[in-house]
Amino acid sequence: ETEMTQSPVTLSATPGERATLSCRASQAVSTYVEWYQQKPGQAPRPLIYGASTRATGVPARFSGSGSGTEFTLTISSLQSEDFAVYYCQQYYVWPRTFGQGTKVEAK
Amino acid sequence: QVQLQESGPGLVKPSETLSLTCSVSGGSIKNYYWGWIRQPPGKGLEWIGWIYYTGTTKYSPALESRVTFSLDTPNNQLSLKLISVTAADTAVYYCARLGHFDEGRGRYSPDSWGQGTLVTVSS
Repeated sequence: ETEMTQSPVTLSATPGERATLSCRASQAVSTYVEWYQQKPGQAPRPLIYGASTRATGVPARFSGSGSGTEFTLTISSLQSEDFAVYYCQQYYVWPRTFGQGTKVEAK
Repeated sequence: QVQLQESGPGLVKPSETLSLTCSVSGGSIKNYYWGWIRQPPGKGLEWIGWIYYTGTTKYSPALESRVTFSLDTPNNQLSLKLISVTAADTAVYYCARLGHFDEGRGRYSPDSWGQGTLVTVSS
């Protein structure tokens, strides 16, 4: 099973700041990585497919990059509605596996 | 716009069977893959598996000895059964439509999710 490790566990930031979230795979997964946003009591919302392609309706301030084992989700200027938990997930091999999540909270 | 709604008992006793239904409205289950994902309270997400509208299934190796998916196409529903449950199966269970096709990678991914239903395993 491919393990996905996210860092940091918690990121404290203020609106307007740039946020950088990292995800590392235990083995190479090419660009088969997705990012999801989850708010309390809600289902995950797809943000990024294929490591860097935004899902429909996702604002341009969200961007993804990386390949192989290292991936990054960047929020260029945090908005109040962006405070949430973010998960990366590989879909290169079965079973698909998620990272443990990064919580982006207001400082 | 497709909508998914999970339903089932919120409380299941240890060693018994967990049964959930996902009702799909605003679209057909035909021609799609459908996934089940779960999330223990306060923890991360775990894939249980997926089912294609033809009935083809794929299960997580960690759960495949205990889980079964099925379809009720006329009623636009899918179902999950998990036998011999323990406290470790306590989670919010989500169904999702794998409606996004990644052409470059030949993979389908979730584009619509249900709100999830909490199932607690306890005596």
